[in-house]
This record gives sequence, C-alpha cells and structure tokens, in this order.
Amino acid sequence: EVQLVESGGGLVQPGRSLRLSCAASGFTFGDYAMTWYRQAPGKGLEWIGVTRRGTTEYAASVKGRFAISSDESKSIAYLQVSSLETEDTAMYYCARGSGWHDYWGQGTLVTVSS
Amino acid sequence: EIVLTQSPGTLSLSPGERATLSCRASQVVGSSFLAWYQQKPGQAPRLLIYGASSRATGIPDRFSGSGSGTDFTLTISRLESEDFAVYYCQQYGSSPRTFGQGTKVEVK
Repeated sequence: EVQLVESGGGLVQPGRSLRLSCAASGFTFGDYAMTWYRQAPGKGLEWIGVTRRGTTEYAASVKGRFAISSDESKSIAYLQVSSLETEDTAMYYCARGSGWHDYWGQGTLVTVSS
Repeated sequence: EIVLTQSPGTLSLSPGERATLSCRASQVVGSSFLAWYQQKPGQAPRLLIYGASSRATGIPDRFSGSGSGTDFTLTISRLESEDFAVYYCQQYGSSPRTFGQGTKVEVK
C-alpha cells in the first residue's frame, strides 16, 4: 500500500526555519518525482516545487527561502522552509509524481506566529 | 503562468442531480495536461481525473472529464451524498503548476 506521511510542522516564530519530512512507503521511491504543495487556511492549493532525480524546481514565491531535497536510501523527501513569514501559515502536503498526483500525504500544519 | 478560473464558485444541488463544473485556462494547456481533484474538509485532495478525461483508479464512472485547449469540464452525472465537496482543476503542462480557485458543491 502506498503511503506518504508528512511530519515536522508546528508553531514557529517569524524569521525561523523548519524542516518538513515526507516519508514514503509502498513504492520504489527513486522511480518518482516528489512534489510539495501548501494550502493556507480556507484557501486553495499552491504548488511549492518538485524534486526529481536530484533536480529541483520551485515556485517564484518561495524560491530562495524554501529548499526541496530527498534521501532515496530512506525514501524521504524534505522541504526546508526558512525565513518564515506569517503568510507561510498553511497545511503542507507532499504528493507523488510531478504532474497529476494519485497519492498525497495527510499534511503537516505550519503556523507562523509570534 | 497559466491562470485557471473555475465557475461557478458554489453549486447548490440536490442528491441525484447532475453537476457541471467549468475550468477555463488563460493559455492553452499543453497535451490536455489537466487534472481534477476533490477535497473534503480536513482531508488531502483526491485525484479524480487526469489527462482531462481519464478517470483515476477507483473513481466511480459518474465522474467524467472533458475538454481541451483552454476549456475543461468536470461532470458528475448523479450526485451522491459523498460527492458534496470542493473541486479543483490543476494544469500540469507547464511550470508553475497552477490550480483553479475551486468550486464548492453543496447540498441545496
């Protein structure tokens, strides 16, 4: 069974950093790109970026502050979020693939507040 | 960036009725790389349709997608109680990937 489990979210002060994790199981991790999205409370979905075979691509809104990486040996994708702003408060999701996504994690909530 | 505009914003219907949701793109979506997702409160999105018209695994055949170019439609032929949710279209033909703002299908 394919599973994606995010972790690492929480309450953080503005300007601080967090590393979010997405642990994958039930498929060959290295065969797939992994994409990160976020959804602010009551809002729609926003693409953050994608990692595939060591390359990454980012949305303009987060480029330079967010970094995506992965550890194929552990089947984990990471999202390093830095210089956090209150506007970064959202549920963060990982999803399998780079186009359409048949599997999503349950999300991890990041709340940026002083 | 391709902007996706969904209409209507809210659709008020009764179980058993037909729902027609629209997604219009600001530019041509290459190769019909358009997906539809359903999202319920507190849950992650669920893939319904990819490639504009291909149903994802396990999706009932009351869900169908159509369209090409800049105009796409999701049709739910007969609404079941579990279908009341928010629906998003997403284009994955170019970067950045973008979503529509969503259509809420609510019980009339």
